[in-house]
Amino acid sequence: AQSVTQLGSHVSVSEGALVLLRCNYSSSVPPYLFWYVQYPNQGLQLLLKYTSAATLVKGINGFEAEFKKSETSFHLTKPSAHMSDAAEYFCAVSDTGRRALTFGSGTRLQVQP
Amino acid sequence: NAGVTQTPKFRVLKTGQSMTLLCAQDMNHEYMYWYRQDPGMGLRLIHYSVGEGTTAKGEVPDGYNVSRLKKQNFLLGLESAAPSQTSVYFCASSYPIYPTSGGYTGELFFGEGSRLTVL
Repeated sequence: AQSVTQLGSHVSVSEGALVLLRCNYSSSVPPYLFWYVQYPNQGLQLLLKYTSAATLVKGINGFEAEFKKSETSFHLTKPSAHMSDAAEYFCAVSDTGRRALTFGSGTRLQVQP
Repeated sequence: NAGVTQTPKFRVLKTGQSMTLLCAQDMNHEYMYWYRQDPGMGLRLIHYSVGEGTTAKGEVPDGYNVSRLKKQNFLLGLESAAPSQTSVYFCASSYPIYPTSGGYTGELFFGEGSRLTVL
């Protein structure tokens, strides 16, 4: 079965600093990978997705992620954090057996002024 | 265009009571899902459906039942609520992708969530 591991349940950065949120996956087949963002008291919104095309994927709000098969990673980055980026971020992998997504435990991003 | 709509958004139950959460989507998606979100555990799949009239168990199905009588609706039922079912429930819908290596789902579109408290 496919799974994802998000390293760090809480990450704190200063406004303007680099954001790096880590995600490693486990999959026996070529994975489809996703990053979602959840703002307080809201549903999840898609940031970006990897579906076996370009390994560097650009998403909304200046975020991007790079698929690295050799490292089984799909880390999320943003060059310069903004206060509005404070939220919880979830990495997910497509579970071909169930035709669903399996989510990581999430990383809460805090942005300090 | 409402997307995915969940009702109710908040509910408080006593142990042993029953209730139904309703999810409706207007995107003509084949796949629909119910997840629960608990602190530090991410989202866990309860039940899902890959088409009208079909349902299947997810990761944490015990204590829940589902039905998908119409393509646009997916109902989640709790027959006898327990405090362990206190959670935020999310409905989502999606569409299939069929690469040569097997079936996948595309990105999920989520509702706003339903917060359930069982006393």
